[in-house]
Amino acid sequence: RKEVEQDPGPFNVPEGATVAFNCTYSNSASQSFFWYRQDCRKEPKLLMSVYSSGNEDGRFTAQLNRASQYISLLIRDSKLSDSATYLCVVTLGNKLVFGAGTILRVKS
Amino acid sequence: GAVVSQHPSWVICKSGTSVKIECRSLDFQATTMFWYRQFPKQSLMLMATSNEGSKATYEQGVEKDKFLINHASLTLSTLTVTSAHPEDSSFYICSFGRNNEKLFFGSGTQLSVL
Repeated sequence: RKEVEQDPGPFNVPEGATVAFNCTYSNSASQSFFWYRQDCRKEPKLLMSVYSSGNEDGRFTAQLNRASQYISLLIRDSKLSDSATYLCVVTLGNKLVFGAGTILRVKS
Repeated sequence: GAVVSQHPSWVICKSGTSVKIECRSLDFQATTMFWYRQFPKQSLMLMATSNEGSKATYEQGVEKDKFLINHASLTLSTLTVTSAHPEDSSFYICSFGRNNEKLFFGSGTQLSVL
């Protein structure tokens, strides 16, 4: 079983749609959780950290469920510029473990 | 925020040659840097952790004699792919972190071995 699993997609959605990504992690000792965004052949960029209490940043909402070892990302009012690969990332000790990413394509 | 400079961005080389990738932290003294590899449609896989002044720690399955890592100063880490083969073609990216809260990434190097 992979340490971090994501639905690879692609998710093809129209502009303005709401889309949700899920991620599960296998190691209950994982400490910190993040969503990164990666454009093709570019470096990943931190989108947001994920907390059990949930956090929101504009159109983006992230949620962590430690009991289920599950992380989610919700994007509201999708923009064309949101098209990218979204990476679920967890920390284990001093290491970051990346999911393979979920591809989002927003179309006009 | 901290900036990491990685170069070259693209490398095309013949099989059997060695390729060196440099990663510099421009405004931060990085005691630890991480090297990742990403194959198409796959996740970033940690290859090794580079510690300044000491030997790098390699992940299981990564050949330390093939992927030479040098972190001789607080601002520079290098990864050398020795005797590169087509299966080494990948996207290589460096990063350093602060207290596991944030990673600063280099811009990545796309290696193509013919």
